[in-house]
Amino acid sequence: DTGVSQDPRHKITKRGQNVTFRCDPISEHNRLYWYRQTLGQGPEFLTYFQNEAQLEKSRLLSDRFSAERPKGSFSTLEIQRTEQGDSAMYLCASSGPQETQYFGPGTRLLVL
Amino acid sequence: AQTVTQSQPEMSVQEAETVTLSCTYDTSESDYYLFWYKQPPSRQMILVIRQEAYKQQNATENRFSVNFQKAAKSFSLKISDSQLGDAAMYFCAYLEYGNKLVFGAGTILRVKS
Repeated sequence: DTGVSQDPRHKITKRGQNVTFRCDPISEHNRLYWYRQTLGQGPEFLTYFQNEAQLEKSRLLSDRFSAERPKGSFSTLEIQRTEQGDSAMYLCASSGPQETQYFGPGTRLLVL
Repeated sequence: AQTVTQSQPEMSVQEAETVTLSCTYDTSESDYYLFWYKQPPSRQMILVIRQEAYKQQNATENRFSVNFQKAAKSFSLKISDSQLGDAAMYFCAYLEYGNKLVFGAGTILRVKS
């Protein structure tokens, strides 16, 4: 069990640029979740996948955000035309039949 | 929509003492899970303890235990023999089966030596 990994760990970008984050879940987990966390707050749900199917998207996920999980393995979260309000920590978590979600280290995004 | 409330923004405890963090939640469901997660500064979110709503027995993990009161929708975390490494932000979270976690705003725990 190697845990959930995320790449990159830090990303600095200029407003208007596109960014893509990757998450590799625990290998036997079929559910994968994306959350966003701003400083001093609890994480907020963005979207989740069961295998390759995206089952739910939050209202927080504007049309500039898109997530994929091809073949039910790793997932990517893309933000197009980034805005300063997108600056946050983006957390990925995965879970198996026991329902407990295990989190990765997160990707910290700073939009200048 | 389910909500989770942590009414203590910050708590302090002396090393080796016991501290209790409070959490209440709101749901109309009868089957769900509750969790406490720990997030040290600039570090990864770590699971501390979990409780299934159908279990009457309170969960325990070493120095960490919960007081789960289903009727009152209360889920507090007790940390015994506090250690310097326990200093972190603690989040209470609610999960319906197969669904997303709903987090509280968190409680910062400071441990004094």
